[in-house]
Amino acid sequence: GENVEQHPSTLSVQEGDSAVIKCTYSDSASNYFPWYKQELGKRPQLIIDIRSNVGEKKDQRIAVTLNKTAKHFSLHITETQPEDSAVYFCAASFEGGSEKLVFGKGTKLTVNP
Amino acid sequence: SAVISQKPSRDICQRGTSLTIQCQVDSQVTMMFWYRQQPGQSLTLIATANQGSEATYESGFVIDKFPISRPNLTFSTLTVSNMSPEDSSIYLCSVEYSGIGAFFGQGTRLTVV
Repeated sequence: GENVEQHPSTLSVQEGDSAVIKCTYSDSASNYFPWYKQELGKRPQLIIDIRSNVGEKKDQRIAVTLNKTAKHFSLHITETQPEDSAVYFCAASFEGGSEKLVFGKGTKLTVNP
Repeated sequence: SAVISQKPSRDICQRGTSLTIQCQVDSQVTMMFWYRQQPGQSLTLIATANQGSEATYESGFVIDKFPISRPNLTFSTLTVSNMSPEDSSIYLCSVEYSGIGAFFGQGTRLTVV
């Protein structure tokens, strides 16, 4: 089955700096890669996703890149703000197949003012 | 995004008892998913609930412990049976809209004493 590895487990940056979180997946059939932000005590919120037919997607300060050959994808947050502090999870699934999401272990991002 | 209502939001239960968690969606969906998130951990899929058929359980989860119902396209329940302290966790339901993404209920924080 699918296995998703996520690094780093914790990340601390200064406000205004960029943050990068990386994930690798094992199943070449996976074709959908979402990223979730989870604040303390809240539900995971979908912040951006990418499908295997594109290499990059951007939404304001957030971008995701996908390298299908290497089976890895990354989340990039620019101009970080204290409200970006949260746990971020990457996930992978086979859209059109089982649809079930397999999650990475999460990255706790702290943005220091 | 979908409106997903999950209840109860939290409960404290005695060991050996059972708790049924409800998940209501504001639109019809084919598949609903149940996840467990242990304290400080990532999300682990328990089972996929399809309307009109038996739920599909992931490795390590069995129907006798986590029976699931899916009576229609907008509702599902997960029961945690014969609870022990190790079942203390957050349980989340999720729905996925093809081409849009997966969304989560607010979660049920279960404490078994």
